[in-house]
Amino acid sequence: DIQMTQSPSSLSASVGDRVTITCRASQDIHNYLAWYQQKPGKVPKLLIHAAITLQSGVPSRFRGSGSGTDFTLTISSLQPEDVATYYCQEYDRYPSFGPGTKVDIK
Amino acid sequence: QVQLVQSGPEVKKPGASVKVSCKPSGYTFTDNLIHWVRQAPGQGLEWMGWVNPNTGGTNLAEKFQGRVTMTRDTSTSAAYLEMTWLRYDDTAMYYCARDPRGWYFFDYWGQGTLVTVSS
Repeated sequence: DIQMTQSPSSLSASVGDRVTITCRASQDIHNYLAWYQQKPGKVPKLLIHAAITLQSGVPSRFRGSGSGTDFTLTISSLQPEDVATYYCQEYDRYPSFGPGTKVDIK
Repeated sequence: QVQLVQSGPEVKKPGASVKVSCKPSGYTFTDNLIHWVRQAPGQGLEWMGWVNPNTGGTNLAEKFQGRVTMTRDTSTSAAYLEMTWLRYDDTAMYYCARDPRGWYFFDYWGQGTLVTVSS
C-alpha cells in the first residue's frame, strides 16, 4: 500500500501570508495526486487534481506542484475563508489520503 | 447542477447492520463511479471502495471486504452502502462521492451520513 504523509500537521499564518503544505508518497505516484479542502463541519472540496490542475471555480491563489513522490500545495495569499484542513490523496493505485494539515489564522 | 443527497443519521447497536443511500442528480447516474469515504470524529478521510452504477461491479478496500456491500439501483438512480457487524469504531461520517473520470479522485460529495454505534 502507498502511504501518504503531510507536513506540517498544523500551521498558523497571517492574512496575506504565503502558505505551503507538503505531501509525500511512499512510492512514485507520477502525478496522480489530488488536494482537498475541508472547512470545519463541512464536506471535503476538491481543489486540485493531477497534481497541478486547478478544479473549476477554485481561486487562483491555490497552486499545486510536484510529481513522483513529493508534492506541494501553496496558498499565495492566505484569506480568512481558507481556514480549513487540507488533505492530499493519491490515486495511482487505490485512493489513499494523507493525515491532513490544519490551517488557522494567526 | 450536480448533487449527491444521502440518507439521514443512524444510531445502531454493536453487531447490527446499517444501509446508507446516496442519490445523485444533475448528471447521468450510470456515467460515473460512486465511491464511499468515511471520517471518524476528529480524524482523517478513509476510502472504503466504489460501485460502478453501470455494471454494478464493486471494488472494496481490503479492510472492508466481507463486511461491506456496495450496490446500486438503476431504476431509482441510487447507490447504497451496507455495513454489517457494526463496531464502536465504525462510528463515523460516511460520504458518497462522484468520480469524474474513473481515476479515483472525487469532484462532488454527498452531505454525509453520520452513523453512530452505541449500546
